Amino acid sequence: GAGVSQSPSNKVTEKGKDVELRCDPISGHTALYWYRQSLGQGLEFLIYFQGNSAPDKSGLPSDRFSAERTGGSVSTLTIQRTQQEDSAVYLCASSLNAGKGNTIYFGEGSWLTVV
Amino acid sequence: KQEVTQIPAALSVPEGENLVLNCSFTDSAIYNLQWFRQDPGKGLTSLLLIQSSQREQTSGRLNASLDKSSGRSTLYIAASQPGDSATYLCAVRPQGSGAGSYQLTFGKGTKLSVIP
Repeated sequence: GAGVSQSPSNKVTEKGKDVELRCDPISGHTALYWYRQSLGQGLEFLIYFQGNSAPDKSGLPSDRFSAERTGGSVSTLTIQRTQQEDSAVYLCASSLNAGKGNTIYFGEGSWLTVV
Repeated sequence: KQEVTQIPAALSVPEGENLVLNCSFTDSAIYNLQWFRQDPGKGLTSLLLIQSSQREQTSGRLNASLDKSSGRSTLYIAASQPGDSATYLCAVRPQGSGAGSYQLTFGKGTKLSVIP
């Protein structure tokens, strides 16, 4: 696609429910990132995928958070037993490959509200 | 731990003015620095990417500079327009390899309002 595509764009869920957020990176991009942006906070790194390598999960805040990337393309971020503090914008990004000099392109985000 | 600070948090200027947004970082061992723009309710749009070996990058009315040794970057916007109103974020990528080396550390942004 032309850009990074995320769905849903907005999600309201009840505390305790599980949610899945989807990211479709730019076609041909092998590097994929998830970030979280909470109200009044900066962007917080969650997880990084590069091709078929083991992901860098060092930013996941708890074991309720997990992510997978199937076939080296689409990624799903899953939050189990959601809490109110999980309310945030979840941003996905991609870049061409593992080269650290590449520009990173972000999607529009998935706005999650836990009530 | 890398910390990125952007000052001011908000800035309001009349249309046509030139302006400078500031970004500072505590650890100078960076690989590159990227400036982004974020419109309300939207994702981030990449504006400029400066590699650690570079001093500046230009795109149209935007010019970003980098002084790695002093931990500073500036984004200069010439002849500001109301359409430039947005939040501007800077982010640094660390040197090195291994876990965490692909993480960007972001500042909290400067919210710019250009008044017609």
